[in-house]
Amino acid sequence: EPEVTQTPSHQVTQMGQEVILRCVPISNHLYFYWYRQILGQKVEFLVSFYNNEISEKSEIFDDQFSVERPDGSNFTLKIRSTKLEDSAMYFCASSERDHGYTFGSGTRLTVV
Amino acid sequence: TQLLEQSPQFLSIQEGENLTVYCNSSSVFSSLQWYRQEPGEGPVLLVTVVTGGEVKKLKRLTFQFGDARKDSSLHITAAQPGDTGLYLCAGARKYAGNMLTFGGGTRLMVKP
Repeated sequence: EPEVTQTPSHQVTQMGQEVILRCVPISNHLYFYWYRQILGQKVEFLVSFYNNEISEKSEIFDDQFSVERPDGSNFTLKIRSTKLEDSAMYFCASSERDHGYTFGSGTRLTVV
Repeated sequence: TQLLEQSPQFLSIQEGENLTVYCNSSSVFSSLQWYRQEPGEGPVLLVTVVTGGEVKKLKRLTFQFGDARKDSSLHITAAQPGDTGLYLCAGARKYAGNMLTFGGGTRLMVKP
């Protein structure tokens, strides 16, 4: 069964530092996403990416966030200057169309 | 803001009982997806319903999409302890970058 792979599984960073979360989506999928889940809260949409550009982003995805697909296989989420409230599980997902999503196991980001 | 209200939030039943989880919204979605999420893991897709009125069965699980594509239900027949977990519904919007709006989840416990 194809998988979405995320690294690292856990990242601890100091407030104000930059972090890059990495994802390898399923190879024949065309749509890529980042979601986050703060402990005890709903899964929230951050951004969707299609055809090498952002197709939709939420209010959470402000100027501190960026995404990139640098080499045709990896899909990264960068947070430029982390805040305490960025602590959450970050999930990468990919899909062929508007359904058939596959989520990765997540990166637990802890900002201290 | 699109909201998906999921009910009940918590459900504790005995093995062998039936249950239904509801997912309601005032918004129309292009598809409705049901996930199961284990602690510390990403959501795992159970089923996607696309057509209004559609019913899909997955062993003892029956999923229904409302005629107006605004609501959905998950019915489990003869629940087993292995069904214990967090069930999430999520509505997709095809013309908004395929973003998913998640419900708050139903935490199910099935006691032997």
